[in-house]
Amino acid sequence: DTEVTQTPKHLVMGMTNKKSLKCEQHMGHRAMYWYKQKAKKPPELMFVYSYEKLSINESVPSRFSPECPNSSLLNLHLHALQPEDSALYLCASSQGAGVVDEQFFGPGTRLTVL
Amino acid sequence: RKEVEQDPGPFNVPEGATVAFNCTYSNSASQSFFWYRQDCRKEPKLLMSVYSSGNEDGRFTAQLNRASQYISLLIRDSKLSDSATYLCVVSGEELTFGTGTRLTIIP
Repeated sequence: DTEVTQTPKHLVMGMTNKKSLKCEQHMGHRAMYWYKQKAKKPPELMFVYSYEKLSINESVPSRFSPECPNSSLLNLHLHALQPEDSALYLCASSQGAGVVDEQFFGPGTRLTVL
Repeated sequence: RKEVEQDPGPFNVPEGATVAFNCTYSNSASQSFFWYRQDCRKEPKLLMSVYSSGNEDGRFTAQLNRASQYISLLIRDSKLSDSATYLCVVSGEELTFGTGTRLTIIP
């Protein structure tokens, strides 16, 4: 199984809502990532988890809260988002803890904040 | 100066032609290099890793020039299905993505 799965595929939420994005991989990868991608732009790194511990937080606002319940799962909890947070949110995983490894991406969650 | 730079294109190329992209990076300590392709509204998918000795996978050839700090991707006998955005990715402490080059293969 060489797949990273993400749910939901699409999400529309209001600025007062609380929602969560989910990501799962069963490749035994030890590092997992959240990226944000706006239209016609490259992915921007948000968070890195290495061995289930948060190792990189790229100065992401606190309205985004990551969680890694176990080595296969990665969540992104959303609260009080702004319309400019609308984007494609991509989860990725890589084999090693070092970020030099090639990363495998999930299909993404397309988020719209109203 | 951006850490990883690519010509954004678009490149509009007739089917069967050969097309080449370059990508420059600023961090000389970068360790690993990749080309990803991304179709419209889809996730990036690894196309190939780029090794110092250069590597080839079918119609695709990737080269790395550490002295000049650039990597290249050559696509021969281009197919309609090659139409996508090609992202140059450089790894040091993090993966850094280039802005991508948009390629359209014209029938």
